[in-house]
Parts: sequence; C-alpha cells; structure tokens
Amino acid sequence: DAGVIQSPRHEVTEMGQEVTLRCKPISGHDYLFWYRQTMMRGLELLIYFNNNVPIDDSGMPEDRFSAKMPNASFSTLKIQPSEPRDSAVYFCASSNRGPEAFFGQGTRLTVV
Amino acid sequence: QQQVKQSPQSLIVQKGGISIINCAYENTAFDYFPWYQQFPGKGPALLIAIRPDVSEKKEGRFTISFNKSAKQFSLHIMDSQPGDSATYFCAATDSNYQLIWGAGTKLIIKP
Repeated sequence: DAGVIQSPRHEVTEMGQEVTLRCKPISGHDYLFWYRQTMMRGLELLIYFNNNVPIDDSGMPEDRFSAKMPNASFSTLKIQPSEPRDSAVYFCASSNRGPEAFFGQGTRLTVV
Repeated sequence: QQQVKQSPQSLIVQKGGISIINCAYENTAFDYFPWYQQFPGKGPALLIAIRPDVSEKKEGRFTISFNKSAKQFSLHIMDSQPGDSATYFCAATDSNYQLIWGAGTKLIIKP
C-alpha cells in the first residue's frame, strides 16, 4: 500500500480564495483524521471520521472550514474564504479500528 | 485534564549517548500511549507505543518506560545516532481513538 496520499503537497493562494485539500486514506482503514500543524499551536485535530461519518468536528476553527468524506477512499478539507492565518501544514491520517494513526506527507498551505 | 505535557522542548545529545524525553498526563482513562517521530517536511510516523498494563516496552534502540502511578511515560533512545535527529511527539488516547498530543521535542544528535 502506498500509505496515506495527500494532494497537493504545496498550495499558495491569495486571501479570499477557496482552497481544497485532498486525502486518500490507506485502503481498509475506517478512521480518517484531519490535523493542522503550526509552530505556535503544534498539532491540532480538526475533525475525524469513522466509516465516512464525521464524529467530532469540534476542532474546526470556523465555519470557513468544512470537510467531507463521500466514500471510504477519499476526503476533502475545504477553506472558503481562506485567510493568511490559515497558513499551516495540514495532515491527513488514517487508522484501522485502532489508535495507530498513519499520516500522509501533508499539504503546506500558504495564504498571501 | 485532557493535556499531555512534554519536556524538554529541545534536546542536544552527543552521538552514542542516551536521549530521554518525558511526558505526563492527567486523564486516567487514557489507555494507549504512542510516540511519533517527525522529520522535516514529513508527516509524523508511529515509532513505538505502550499500554498501561506493562511498565516498559523496547524496540531496538527505542524504549518506553511507563509509570502508571505517577502518570508519566518517557522515551529513551539508546546509542543515539545523527539519523535520530527529528521532532518527537508523545500522545495519549482512550477508547475513542482521538489522540491528545504533547507539544513536541526537537532532538539534535551531534556527531
């Protein structure tokens, strides 16, 4: 298996634009997590899904953030409109009926 | 009560030495304690993990020591190598699988 696949690896966008980050979890994994990592706040859990259903989105910072998981092999994190303070590395992780989370390479988002 | 406190924030160790990173938690419901290793530009990768029914777990040069009564656990890296230079995160979770993360330790191994 190729592991968790995220795209794009880098995204530079202008303030106010819509940004969509994509994630393909490891096949057979039933949990999917979206994290944000910054120097100031470390790793923050934004939202997680179990069997494609959002379980806890209390970490989503604002209504500008939304996440979907239309099927077991694909998830998106959308920011609309984007702001400079959204600049961070966004990670997707998946796990198989347990707490051992496997992370993707991350998407480095820069909002200018 | 949900926090995991990690120390030190940064650590410099000579090659061949022992690196020690400590974490403490409050929530007694936590039952899984992993350590993740992160290299620059990469996602965190699971290194080693322990459950509270054992006091120590060893995998190669990496050992977790767990003190349930003190609610503390630590990562020991024996014979530290320059390739071990990375940021290390401890974490904890209960049955809902939502990881609570420490702040991270930047480890530098000097050759």
